[in-house]
Amino acid sequence: GQQLNQSPQSMFIQEGEDVSMNCTSSSIFNTWLWYKQDPGEGPVLLIALYKAGELTSNGRLTAQFGITRKDSFLNISASIPSDVGIYFCAGSLIGSGNTGKLIFGQGTTLQVKP
Amino acid sequence: DAGVTQSPTHLIKTRGQHVTLRCSPISGHKSVSWYQQVLGQGPQFIFQYYEKEERGRGNFPDRFSARQFPNYSSELNVNALLLGDSALYLCASSLALQTYNEQFFGPGTRLTVL
Repeated sequence: GQQLNQSPQSMFIQEGEDVSMNCTSSSIFNTWLWYKQDPGEGPVLLIALYKAGELTSNGRLTAQFGITRKDSFLNISASIPSDVGIYFCAGSLIGSGNTGKLIFGQGTTLQVKP
Repeated sequence: DAGVTQSPTHLIKTRGQHVTLRCSPISGHKSVSWYQQVLGQGPQFIFQYYEKEERGRGNFPDRFSARQFPNYSSELNVNALLLGDSALYLCASSLALQTYNEQFFGPGTRLTVL
């Protein structure tokens, strides 16, 4: 079935460092979304991308929709302790029809040391 | 404005029982999707409903069913519970059918099957 390969699986960084994570697939996506999930909570939408090559920022977060439509990355600059959590990429496949089905990656667990 | 709300927050059931989970979307949102999130994994798509009709279904057995009401709230029903159904069940709402409108998640219902 369709899969999103998200890496790295986990990161342990020092406060102030920049972070980069990415998602890849063998299939083509027409939408890429990045979510953050805290323990016991639902995912919170961070950034949405709709066009190949699109680069979008939200504060210290920057995400890009890959040119091939098969990948996306998320960067976090100058990390702070509240950035701790699990980050998920999610996408909507080309040809998924008139549905809102999102396919999620396995998540990247981020820990920040003060 | 209130976000997506789900009830109950937590639920404990035994194998073979039936469960009903409820979701109220963000005001003005007409589409509701259900996802299952097993511990340590990304959410898996179960259903999407729009204007009270099922518009998408993931790879889940017929024990899983759902419906959407005229006020756009939704119920997810699971029959003949199995241990493997233990998970966080997430509801997401969006303005319209396709994921060009971002999906916003509720806090989830934690289901434990004993």
